[in-house]
Amino acid sequence: GNSVTQMEGPVTLSEEAFLTINCTYTATGYPSLFWYVQYPGEGLQLLLKATKADDKGSNKGFEATYRKETTSFHLEKGSVQVSDSAVYFCALISAGGTSYGKLTFGQGTILTVHP
Amino acid sequence: GAVVSQHPSRVICKSGTSVKIECRSLDFQATTMFWYRQFPKQSLMLMATSNEGSKATYEQGVEKDKFLINHASLTLSTLTVTSAHPEDSSFYICSAVRGVGTGELFFGEGSRLTVL
Repeated sequence: GNSVTQMEGPVTLSEEAFLTINCTYTATGYPSLFWYVQYPGEGLQLLLKATKADDKGSNKGFEATYRKETTSFHLEKGSVQVSDSAVYFCALISAGGTSYGKLTFGQGTILTVHP
Repeated sequence: GAVVSQHPSRVICKSGTSVKIECRSLDFQATTMFWYRQFPKQSLMLMATSNEGSKATYEQGVEKDKFLINHASLTLSTLTVTSAHPEDSSFYICSAVRGVGTGELFFGEGSRLTVL
């Protein structure tokens, strides 16, 4: 079956530091890959996505590249801000999946950014 | 933007009681909603797919008599944890699809259930 593994948190950084949150996956074929973010007191929000190998998803300064050869989709940001403090979830949906509700999630990584 | 709201955000109950969690799509109609649960330090796991006007579809290993799902309208799905026990303590999250099939997915804030 499908699975997603994220680096364990929590991750604590100073403002303007470089961020990497690792994500690797197991799935057959070419799944679509997602990063979701959950800010305190809010629901999960789609941060970025990539639907085929070598695609790069980007949003709000965050980037992730779909690497089929390493089955990875690491999240990066060059300079984090305090407002980026949140829980980040890596997720996938199987190739040919007809419903985005049937996502397979990683366990989430808590990011805390200090001024 | 589209918003999905869950209520309550936190609930504490005694063992043996039933707890109802509501999931509402506030500015769109959702024919399909999903329920997930998350144990500490574990992944969000899909529990069931809630379809308006029909029975929910449960994932393997999820007890349908334990977790009752009702999707009576296009904006409301409810999850009732019946005869709750401490092992049911978890974080429950719903999501709703705007559009058909691979429409955009929106999540609620989550509900933390603690069973004493």
